[in-house]
Amino acid sequence: EDQVTQSPEALRLQEGESSSLNCSYTVSGLRGLFWYRQDPGKGPEFLFTLYSAGEEKEKERLKATLTKKESFLHITAPKPEDSATYLCAVHPYAEGGSNYKLTFGKGTLLTVNP
Amino acid sequence: KAGVTQTPRYLIKTRGQQVTLSCSPISGHRSVSWYQQTPGQGLQFLFEYFSETQRNKGNFPGRFSGRQFSNSRSEMNVSTLELGDSALYLCASSRMGADTQYFGPGTRLTVL
Repeated sequence: EDQVTQSPEALRLQEGESSSLNCSYTVSGLRGLFWYRQDPGKGPEFLFTLYSAGEEKEKERLKATLTKKESFLHITAPKPEDSATYLCAVHPYAEGGSNYKLTFGKGTLLTVNP
Repeated sequence: KAGVTQTPRYLIKTRGQQVTLSCSPISGHRSVSWYQQTPGQGLQFLFEYFSETQRNKGNFPGRFSGRQFSNSRSEMNVSTLELGDSALYLCASSRMGADTQYFGPGTRLTVL
């Protein structure tokens, strides 16, 4: 069964204090790994898609990396507006290419204090 | 380009009633997926539709159903509502289903 585990569950940072969020996954084969940001009461906002080990993508203060077993979301010099829940999801391969669902982790609640 | 829209945004129902939620995907997207989000379980997959056909279904009881129309708009229905159905219901669209999914704002359902 596909599994996604995110750690830590919650992270509190001071403004400017860089850190990383972890997403560990177990799938038979990975078609893609996705990072989303979710603000309270809103739908997840797409951040990154990673397809193969060694791939990296950046956007402003965020950088996502991928290995064969986990992904990291690095946050450099965070600001209070980066406070949100960050969700990781995997899209596994299925025989015949018939799997179209994402399996999500429980998320990391990030709080950045000014 | 307009994003995914969901209506209504908020709903309050009582146990035993049924509810229909609507989702309009991003223009050009033919795949629509539905997810249920609760504090305890996180985001859980309900079902996915493409060209009016359900291709995948999650582990939810038959009270949860959906459909997709020829214009790719989708609806989901929950019959005989239970207290545990209270959740944020999210719709996501993608071009073909195996690519990046973009989420709508969700419908907050409260069952009393």
